[in-house]
Amino acid sequence: GEDVEQSLFLSVREGDSSVINCTYTDSSSTYLYWYKQEPGAGLQLLTYIFSNMDMKQDQRLTVLLNKKDKHLSLRIADTQTGDSAIYFCAEINTGTASKLTFGTGTRLQVTL
Amino acid sequence: DTAVSQTPKYLVTQMGNDKSIKCEQNLGHDTMYWYKQDSKKFLKIMFSYNNKELIINETVPNRFSPKSPDKAHLNLHINSLELGDSAVYFCASSQASTGAYEQYFGPGTRLTVT
Repeated sequence: GEDVEQSLFLSVREGDSSVINCTYTDSSSTYLYWYKQEPGAGLQLLTYIFSNMDMKQDQRLTVLLNKKDKHLSLRIADTQTGDSAIYFCAEINTGTASKLTFGTGTRLQVTL
Repeated sequence: DTAVSQTPKYLVTQMGNDKSIKCEQNLGHDTMYWYKQDSKKFLKIMFSYNNKELIINETVPNRFSPKSPDKAHLNLHINSLELGDSAVYFCASSQASTGAYEQYFGPGTRLTVT
């Protein structure tokens, strides 16, 4: 079955870049997503990448996809305290009725 | 102008009770979902409805019954609540046939069973 793994915790200083990593096992993944969850809140879709792309940039966010290694990363440039949250990667195999499989989540702590 | 809304936001109840959580989306999407987030923040899909038809039913106890009266609503009814049902339940919606299948989430319902 599908399995999506993330490191549990990342601490960075304000102004530095953050890189959150994710590995997945389903080689049939069609789209991969990054969601942000702030304390007590729902999940906010940040960005996504189609499986035939290597990179996608959206303002401070850069998504890199290494399909051969099944590795996805999210880089946040100029990290701010408002970026402190849990970040989830997720993948979908559109052949399985649009079921999202989430990673374990990475808690990003931004320090001053 | 909330896109996906859920009620209630918090629900505290005793074991053995029956409760419902409601979800509504005003995005015009044709697919809606229920996810469960446990105390370790792990998220797992429970159900999915497309045009009011059940299309995903993960290994969820029969005590959980989703109901979709129309495309904009997906409710979750839980019978005989157990301590292990304590979690945050998220509703989501998407338009399955277009775009990148992006799913948009509601704010969540924190269920506490005592």
